[in-house]
Amino acid sequence: QKEVEQDPGPLSVPEGAIVSLNCTYSNSAFQYFMWYRQYSRKGPELLMYTYSSGNKEDGRFTAQVDKSSKYISLFIRDSQPSDSATYLCAMSPYSNGKLTFGQGTILTVHP
Amino acid sequence: NAGVTQTPKFQVLKTGQSMTLQCAQDMNHNSMYWYRQDPGMGLRLIYYSASEGTTDKGEVPNGYNVSRLNKREFSLRLESAAPSQTSVYFCASSEAGTGWTEAFFGQGTRLTVV
Repeated sequence: QKEVEQDPGPLSVPEGAIVSLNCTYSNSAFQYFMWYRQYSRKGPELLMYTYSSGNKEDGRFTAQVDKSSKYISLFIRDSQPSDSATYLCAMSPYSNGKLTFGQGTILTVHP
Repeated sequence: NAGVTQTPKFQVLKTGQSMTLQCAQDMNHNSMYWYRQDPGMGLRLIYYSASEGTTDKGEVPNGYNVSRLNKREFSLRLESAAPSQTSVYFCASSEAGTGWTEAFFGQGTRLTVV
C-alpha cells in the first residue's frame, strides 16, 4: 500500500465548477502538506502549502488538512480552462524537499 | 534567473549504455534532489544532497549514482541503463533551514531505454 493515495482521475468539469481534489496518507509523521500543479511536459510548481492541520486560502484555491483523519483536500472555485493540469499532493515529515507524492490527478476544465 | 536547469531534455539509450543527467540551480540553495516520475506512480525520490559534499539515498536509488559537484550542480548517473529506468527525471532544489522551504523543480529529462 502506498504511503500517499490520490485518485488519478481523470476529472473533467465545466468552466466555473468547484473542483475537489483529495489525498489520504498513512504516515502520521507527515507535518508539511503541499499541492503542486504540473502542466503537460513541465516540472511541478508549488500551488499551496500547509503546515499541520487547518485551512489555507489563496484566491480561488483552498487547501485543507485533517491530520486526525489523515486526509488533505484542495478546492478550486470558479475553475478556468487554464486550471487544466495534473495536481499532485505531496507531504513530508521534514521542512525540506524530501517529499512523498501522490499519484497525481489529471484535471480538465472545458469551456 | 533560470531557476533549476536540466540537460538534456530528451534522451534515448540502448540497454546497457551509460549516461549522466545534469542539473544546475542558480538560487544558491543548499539542498538538491533527483526524482523520477512514472505513470500512476507520482514522483519518487531517487537521491538527495542536503548540502554540498553530502548525498543520501531516497526511495528508489538502485541503478543510480549521484555526484554533488559543487553547490550549484547535482548530477545523476546511470551506469548500465535498463528499460525499467525509462521515466521522466526531475531535479529540484530548496533552501535549508529550520522552517519549511519550497522545493523548485526543473523542466525534466525524458529518458527512454530501449
